[in-house]
Amino acid sequence: AQSVTQPDIHITVSEGASLELRCNYSYGATPYLFWYVQSPGQGLQLLLKYFSGDTLVQGIKGFEAEFKRSQSSFNLRKPSVHWSDAAEYFCAVGAATGFQKLVFGTGTRLLVSP
Amino acid sequence: DVKVTQSSRYLVKRTGEKVFLECVQDMDHENMFWYRQDPGLGLRLIYFSYDVKMKEKGDIPEGYSVSREKKERFSLILESASTNQTSMYLCASSPEKKANQPQHFGDGTRLSIL
Repeated sequence: AQSVTQPDIHITVSEGASLELRCNYSYGATPYLFWYVQSPGQGLQLLLKYFSGDTLVQGIKGFEAEFKRSQSSFNLRKPSVHWSDAAEYFCAVGAATGFQKLVFGTGTRLLVSP
Repeated sequence: DVKVTQSSRYLVKRTGEKVFLECVQDMDHENMFWYRQDPGLGLRLIYFSYDVKMKEKGDIPEGYSVSREKKERFSLILESASTNQTSMYLCASSPEKKANQPQHFGDGTRLSIL
């Protein structure tokens, strides 16, 4: 069974600084990987996804993520954080075969300081 | 855009009540999911359905049941609500059984059991 670890519960970044949120997964084959964002009081919105091919994927709102098979990681990055990026971020992994179930990490809450 | 609508944003019920949470999607998606979200635990899958009248247990089905009589509607039922079911409940849908299809989420129902 697949699993996801997001080692950082909270991260604080200054506005305009770069951001990297960590995600490590466990799965025996090539996984399907997703990053979602949740603003306060809202549901989850898809930022980006990786299925195959280019290991650097671009998403919405200026986010990108890089799949590194050797490190079992799928870290989310943004070169310059805006105050509106303050939210909770979830990494999720899906199995490449069988029914589509996602396993979510426990989330990282991003705080943006002025 | 996919629209997943949860009938209530906030709900307060009493211990022992039977509680219904409703979810409707407007994109003819085959799959629908119910999660609960708790601080520090991320999203945990309660039940999912890949077709009308079909349901499968997720990771934490105890104390819950579901109903899918129509393709667009997926109901979560708390048979006898208890205080430990106080949580945020998120509904999601996706178009196919394949794992590479992202899930689309509603805005959530924050349920309090007194």
